[in-house]
Parts: sequence; C-alpha cells; structure tokens
Amino acid sequence: AQKITQTQPGMFVQEKEAVTLDCTYDTSDQSYGLFWYKQPSSGEMIFLIYQGSYDEQNATEGRYSLNFQKARKSANLVISASQLGDSAMYFCAMREGPSGGSNYKLTFGKGTLLTVNP
Amino acid sequence: DTGVSQDPRHKITKRGQNVTFRCDPISEHNRLYWYRQTLGQGPEFLTYFQNEAQLEKSRLLSDRFSAERPKGSFSTLEIQRTEQGDSAMYLCASSLIIGPLQETQYFGPGTRLLVL
Repeated sequence: AQKITQTQPGMFVQEKEAVTLDCTYDTSDQSYGLFWYKQPSSGEMIFLIYQGSYDEQNATEGRYSLNFQKARKSANLVISASQLGDSAMYFCAMREGPSGGSNYKLTFGKGTLLTVNP
Repeated sequence: DTGVSQDPRHKITKRGQNVTFRCDPISEHNRLYWYRQTLGQGPEFLTYFQNEAQLEKSRLLSDRFSAERPKGSFSTLEIQRTEQGDSAMYLCASSLIIGPLQETQYFGPGTRLLVL
C-alpha cells in the first residue's frame, strides 16, 4: 500500500485565488512528521511547511497552510493568493517515528503539478 | 549561498561507464541523504549518513552503487558500470537533528544523469 497518496496529478488555479492540494497518508505510528516540498522545473526540492503528528494547531508559513486532519489521515496544502511563480510540482512527504523503524527517510507521494494562470 | 550544493548538475555518460557525484551539505548539518527521482515520480530514498557513518541503505542501492562521506562533510555517490535504468535525478539533502521528529531535510539542486 502506498504510504503517501496525492490523487491530483494536475491542478489549475487563477492568479490571486486559493488552491488546495490533497495528500493522504498511511501509517500505524503515533509519531510522524508531514512535509510539503515544491519542485520547480529547475529540479530543486524547496521545503515549504512541516506538521508534526502531535501538533495541535495546523502549521502555517506565509501563504502556505497545512490542513491537518489526523483522524482522516490527511494533510492538505493550502496556498492562498496564488502567484505565477507558484507553478511547480508539489510533493507531500512523511517521516515515520522511531517505532516504525524509519525515523530518518522521507517517503514521497507522486506529486501534483500546479499551474497558475494569469 | 549556504544551501546544499551538488556537482555536476548534469551528466551524460555511456552505458558501462562509471560516474561520481558530489554533495556538499549545509555547514554543520550532521545528516546527509541521497535520493533518486525518476520521471513522474517522487524522490525515493537511497541511503543516509549521520556524520561519517552510513547508517542505512535502500534495496534500491545495488552493489554497483557506493556512497561515502569522509570526515562527515561532503559526500560522494558513485555508480559503477552504469545502465540505462540508472538515468534519473539524484538528489542530496542534509539536516540537523534537533530532537525527535524535529528534522527538516533541505535539498540540493540535484544531478541529472542520462545514460546512453
């Protein structure tokens, strides 16, 4: 079973509007971390936002916020006031806790290609 | 620039040749990771180091692959007898362990390998 599922291969949004990119995850651990990265066409993975499984509040970083619904095992990324420069691939990733034996590597989804239209 | 750097950015080689990639992590980061990303996929974990010790290797890392991190600073990833299936983006990331689960990996620009 896939540990990270991103069901939207591509998304389109108008400039200045908000967009939500979906991510669901699968783990039996109680301790884990969820990350979102942006990958422009240049290839570099840019860290956007982090949510810990024990964090009670949703993470926010500027125009990025993470809609964390633990019971549903979802960690959707919300980008507000989209800009043309937001056009890129977006990856959701998880690092499982020590009890899962993988307290180091990130497991990534397949990504969502976001296109911001002027 | 104090981010993760990788060299070369692009590499074209013929099947059967050996290639070596270098990664310079963010200064003082004690963990260094290698990932491989093929077209249309997210990155997949290959191996990681804590300081100079290589602590884990993925099954993706066949014995044609070897990685080192002498002195706990930069790292090299070597692929011997390259195959066309090795064509991919090779990404390096580094992190500083602060506490349990409090670790963010910062990635370099990657090395795009094409094996002809």
